[in-house]
Amino acid sequence: NAGVTQTPKFRVLKTGQSMTLLCAQDMNHEYMYWYRQDPGMGLRLIHYSVGEGTTAKGEVPDGYNVSRLKKQNFLLGLESAAPSQTSVYFCASSKSGGPNQPQHFGDGTRLSIL
Amino acid sequence: GDSVTQMEGPVTLSEEAFLTINCTYTATGYPSLFWYVQYPGEGLQLLLKATKADDKGSNKGFEATYRKETTSFHLEKGSVQVSDSAVYFCALNPQGGSEKLVFGKGTKLTVNP
Repeated sequence: NAGVTQTPKFRVLKTGQSMTLLCAQDMNHEYMYWYRQDPGMGLRLIHYSVGEGTTAKGEVPDGYNVSRLKKQNFLLGLESAAPSQTSVYFCASSKSGGPNQPQHFGDGTRLSIL
Repeated sequence: GDSVTQMEGPVTLSEEAFLTINCTYTATGYPSLFWYVQYPGEGLQLLLKATKADDKGSNKGFEATYRKETTSFHLEKGSVQVSDSAVYFCALNPQGGSEKLVFGKGTKLTVNP
């Protein structure tokens, strides 16, 4: 009963390096989301997708790119990592949008940029 | 814009104490309201929700009532347990069925035996 799986769980990068975070869901959900969680800030939406092949910007999209080539996967890329991107990243998915379709979260990826 | 304000933490209680975590919101119309819980090392889980005014959401002994007149959705539990120690997030989904959730900053609860 996997649900939403994030890979990797931890990563340390140097400033300027690039990397991709992978999110996979096995619930056949249409919508997927990437959030970042910072102390005292709650969760902020980075990018989201309402279906395969579509992506949209959230509240804090700068410095990140995403792709949704397959329905079950949602990738978050950092092209040139900066210390300000040190955070815990959460992926979520939902069957569709709206209040009657709760979002299901992965366990998070803790990313440190040195 | 839409926003959620919840009480600052951390909150420390003894087992069997009464819990209240305050949450107020700013939004147009009638948003849907949620409480999510995050246990240590895990992602967020939906705890309860209410989609219209005067609705009461409940789950695992927790309750929250959607109060339109005070724009509030306070979380309560009559008798907390050590296993309730977690971070609690209040969130809203704007009226109209937006896909976006707006979260509060979270309140950390520690329950001591």
